[in-house]
Amino acid sequence: QVQLQDSGPGLVKPSETLSLSCTVSGASLGNYYWIWIRQSAEKGLEWIGRIYTTGSSDYNPSLKSRVTMSVDTSNKRFFLSLTSVTAADTAVYFCAREVGPGAVDAWGQGTLVTVSS
Amino acid sequence: DVQMTQSPSSLSASIGDRVTITCRASQPIGGFLNWYHQKPGEAPKLLIYAVSDLHGAAPSRFSGSGSGTVFTLAISSLQFEDVGTYFCEQTKTLPWTFGHGTKVEVK
Repeated sequence: QVQLQDSGPGLVKPSETLSLSCTVSGASLGNYYWIWIRQSAEKGLEWIGRIYTTGSSDYNPSLKSRVTMSVDTSNKRFFLSLTSVTAADTAVYFCAREVGPGAVDAWGQGTLVTVSS
Repeated sequence: DVQMTQSPSSLSASIGDRVTITCRASQPIGGFLNWYHQKPGEAPKLLIYAVSDLHGAAPSRFSGSGSGTVFTLAISSLQFEDVGTYFCEQTKTLPWTFGHGTKVEVK
């Protein structure tokens, strides 16, 4: 059974970069999209983007200028980087697996990231 | 972006009641509609994908229907463990988008 473990700092200062990682166990990375979703009271669930094992990615246009995703297939990990954060980026960030046709069938436990000085 | 509108935003029902939740898309999304259930402090869990396909161990009291822009999630007989928030998601057009949720409580 696939399991995802997301990790990263819970506090990031405004204008700095939010960096999260997600480790996958119980399944290979191949043949799936690996995604990041965030959840806040203000915006609800927001799809940030996805990356395939080839490195091909799609990002939410609302965040595209600040988001980079990458994948380390050797260690079964994938990553999220969000630059120039503001308080509006405060949310619980989930890493997850997307299966066809786009449904999310496995989720990490979520990491609360607070943007504050 | 495709806007997803759920109704009602919350409901309260008795154990054993039939419950229905509606999700409306701002444009046709074909069969690309999924439903999730989230309990407080947990990640959402996939219930139904592609409008009406039950995921994995999801109980058979859950069902999905609809087409075009209007979709429905039904719980045939509400159980205690069904409390929480339900979200719809469209995966027809990037970026995928979610409804704002329907909070279900037991009377």
